[in-house]
Amino acid sequence: DQQVKQNSPSLSVQEGRISILNCDYTNSMFDYFLWYKKYPAEGPTFLISISSIKDKNEDGRFTVFLNKSAKHLSLHIVPSQPGDSAVYFCAARYNNDMRFGAGTRLTVKP
Amino acid sequence: NAGVMQNPRHLVRRRGQEARLRCSPMKGHSHVYWYRQLPEEGLKFMVYLQKENIIDESGMPKERFSAEFPKEGPSILRIQQVVRGDSAAYFCASSSYSDTQYFGPGTRLTVL
Repeated sequence: DQQVKQNSPSLSVQEGRISILNCDYTNSMFDYFLWYKKYPAEGPTFLISISSIKDKNEDGRFTVFLNKSAKHLSLHIVPSQPGDSAVYFCAARYNNDMRFGAGTRLTVKP
Repeated sequence: NAGVMQNPRHLVRRRGQEARLRCSPMKGHSHVYWYRQLPEEGLKFMVYLQKENIIDESGMPKERFSAEFPKEGPSILRIQQVVRGDSAAYFCASSSYSDTQYFGPGTRLTVL
């Protein structure tokens, strides 16, 4: 069952521009959402999270937006840097049950 | 403060052999999760354990796969009689209760 979906397998942006990664979920019980970043041959690294009681959380160049009515969240990276090139996983959690999307491969071109 | 440790990083097995994957959680974490990533796919939840207890194993195949997290020592994911389809990256994560999960570097299992 795909409770968390990332419909774009890949995204390419120019250095300095904004990267927007999207994620949709189906289970309204999820109350906490996370983004992880993964480089090849490494484990996922926690990036940023948001509670369901908020609609925005910002940390430096990274901002996560949550639209509960649409069951949609997005990660904005601005400005994008070549070092941001990685696979980004969206995750949704209820209690300790966490489900991941399939990931979006972001490529930031110099 | 060491992060989540996994070993071995790479494991090669022939069909029919057993694979044992180890995970040591971050200091102070008592919750361990195992995930599998098949090529070109996302992370699939397998099992969630606390010390000496399996809390949720709904994502783990019913046969050949087992997991434990003993009172002392690392968590072990055990795959018996491996088949080629078991080839994947296996990631372990740990957390305090209801806190962010932190991942280890993964074990890449190759079944010949």
